[in-house]
Amino acid sequence: DIQMTQSPSSVSASVGDRVTITCRASQGISSWLAWYQQKPGKAPKLLIYAASSLQSGVPSRFSGSGSGTDFTLTISSLQPEDFATYYCQQANSPPLTFGGGTKVEIK
Amino acid sequence: EVQLVESGGGLVQPGGSLRLSCAASGFTFSSYWMHWVRQAPGKGLVWVSRINSDGSSTSYADSVKGRFTISRDNAKNTLYLQMNSLRAEDTAVYYCARDLLRLATPSNWFDPWGQGTLVTVSS
Repeated sequence: DIQMTQSPSSVSASVGDRVTITCRASQGISSWLAWYQQKPGKAPKLLIYAASSLQSGVPSRFSGSGSGTDFTLTISSLQPEDFATYYCQQANSPPLTFGGGTKVEIK
Repeated sequence: EVQLVESGGGLVQPGGSLRLSCAASGFTFSSYWMHWVRQAPGKGLVWVSRINSDGSSTSYADSVKGRFTISRDNAKNTLYLQMNSLRAEDTAVYYCARDLLRLATPSNWFDPWGQGTLVTVSS
C-alpha cells in the first residue's frame, strides 16, 4: 500500500498569512494526487486534483504543486473561511489512501 | 444540482449487518464510478470501496474485504454498501462520493461527496 505522510499535523496562522502544507508518498505516484478541505461536521470538499489542477469554484488562493513523491498545497492569503482540516490523497492505485490531515487553526 | 444522499446508518451489535444506500441525482449516475469513504470519530479519511459504472468491477480496502459488498442499481440511481460481520472498528461516518471524471477508467478523485451516514457498532 502507498503511505501518505502529511506535515505539519497542525498549523496556527493569521488571516492574510501564506500557509504551506506538504504531503509525501511512500512511492512515486506521478501527479495522481488530490487535496481536500474538511470543516467540522461536514463532508470533505475537493480543492485540487492531478496535483495542481484547481477544481471548479475553488478560489485561486489555493494552489498545488509537485510530482513523484513530494507535493505541496499552498494557501496564498489565508481567509477566515479557510480554517479547516486539509487532507491529501493518492489516486494512483487501490487501496486509495489519505494523509493524516493538517488542521489549520487561528493564531 | 448534483446531489448524493446517504441513508441506512444506525446502531448495530458486533457481528450484525447493515445496508447503506446513496441516492444520486442531478447527473447521469450510470456513467460514473462511485466510491465509499469512511471516517471514524475524530479520525482521518479511509477509502472503503469503489465500483465501476455498470457494476461489473469492484475494489475493496483489505480491512473490509470479504465482509462488505458494494453494488449499484442504475435504474434507481442508487449506490449500496452491504456490511456484514460488523466490528467495533467499523464505527464511522460513511460517505459516498462520485468519481470526478466521466470515464471508463476511474480518476479516483472524489467529487462531490454526500453528507454522510453514521454507523455505530456497539453492544
